[in-house]
Amino acid sequence: DIQMTQSPSSLSASVGDRVTITCRASQTIISYLNWYQQKPGKAPKLLIYAASRLQSGVPSRFSGSGSVTDFTLTISSLQPEDFATYYCQQSYSIPFTFGGGTKVEIK
Amino acid sequence: QVQLVQSGADVKKAGSSVKVSCKASGVTFSTYTISWVRQAPGQGLEWMGRILPIFGTTDYAQNFQGRVTITADESTTTAYMELSRLRSEDTAVYFCAAAQTGDFEYWGQGTLVTVSS
Repeated sequence: DIQMTQSPSSLSASVGDRVTITCRASQTIISYLNWYQQKPGKAPKLLIYAASRLQSGVPSRFSGSGSVTDFTLTISSLQPEDFATYYCQQSYSIPFTFGGGTKVEIK
Repeated sequence: QVQLVQSGADVKKAGSSVKVSCKASGVTFSTYTISWVRQAPGQGLEWMGRILPIFGTTDYAQNFQGRVTITADESTTTAYMELSRLRSEDTAVYFCAAAQTGDFEYWGQGTLVTVSS
């Protein structure tokens, strides 16, 4: 199975900050990397697919980059509604696997 | 719009089975795979398996092999996940999610399954 490692596991940031979350795969996944946002008590929401493609309806302050094994999710200017937990997920091979999550909290 | 509506919360005894449903609407059922993802309390996301309803073909995570069965009924655009030999560690919220490739574009609202001893 492909292991997905996210860092940091949590971070504190202020509204307007630039936030970067990283995700590393244990082997190449080319660009088969997706990012989700999850708020408490809710289902995850797809933000970025194929490493860098913005899902329809997702604000442009979210962006993704990377390939092979190293990937990044960036929020260019953190907004109050962005405080949530973020997960990466590889869709390169079965079983699909998720990173452990990054909780973004208010500083 | 696309909706995945799951069955309600359930409480089961250890050793029994649970079956959760996921009804899709607003989506061409045959062009999507339906996966099941679970989340234990305070924990991350864990993929359990998927089905391609048009063919009925399935893939399962090794962790659940032999205990999970995913089925789908195209006529009612409903997918099901049955987990057997329940134990306390199976207490979790179970989500269904639809994907055309490997990214989960649409999600159900989640179903809390509580396993009591």
